[in-house]
Amino acid sequence: GENVEQHPSTLSVQEGDSAVIKCTYSDSASNYFPWYKQELGKRPQLIIDIRSNVGEKKDQRIAVTLNKTAKHFSLHITETQPEDSAVYFCAAWGALTGANNLFFGTGTRLTVIP
Amino acid sequence: NAGVMQNPRHLVRRRGQEARLRCSPMKGHSHVYWYRQLPEEGLKFMVYLQKENIIDESGMPKERFSAEFPKEGPSILRIQQVVRGDSAAYFCASSLPSDRGRETQYFGPGTRLLVL
Repeated sequence: GENVEQHPSTLSVQEGDSAVIKCTYSDSASNYFPWYKQELGKRPQLIIDIRSNVGEKKDQRIAVTLNKTAKHFSLHITETQPEDSAVYFCAAWGALTGANNLFFGTGTRLTVIP
Repeated sequence: NAGVMQNPRHLVRRRGQEARLRCSPMKGHSHVYWYRQLPEEGLKFMVYLQKENIIDESGMPKERFSAEFPKEGPSILRIQQVVRGDSAAYFCASSLPSDRGRETQYFGPGTRLLVL
């Protein structure tokens, strides 16, 4: 099945700086890649997603890029704020026959230092 | 427009008891997914259901775990004869119907199961 790797596992940035989280996936047929933000004790919340027919998507301070050839996608947060501190998960929808679910990365704990 | 609802939010069981976790999807959503999250870990897929149909249960342990999504009422994840290793947060998510399930999934608040 699909294998999603996420790096780094922890990331600390100064307020106002940018943060980048990278994920790789193994299934070349995967075509849907969401990113979720999870605050402590809370539910995962979708912050942005991208489908394989586009290479980049942006929503205010958040952007995601997708490189299908290299099978990796990245989350970019600009002008970080303390409220961006959370655990971020990437995911890929398994497209192989018999795979009908999201495979999640292991998460990145982002700390924005005021 | 209520989001995904889960209950109970917290559940304490003794070893050997049964745990029943409920999930009501968002209005208009007919697909439900269950995930398990251990402390400091990511989300692990368990099962994907439509109304009255299990689409994919490849992540479900072969024993003690079962899930259903009846025509009426919430989806239920059932864990029989719980053991301490079952302690985790169980999240459900729902999505709109799709031919291949690649619709956005919205998560509920989770049920935190503690097995004593």
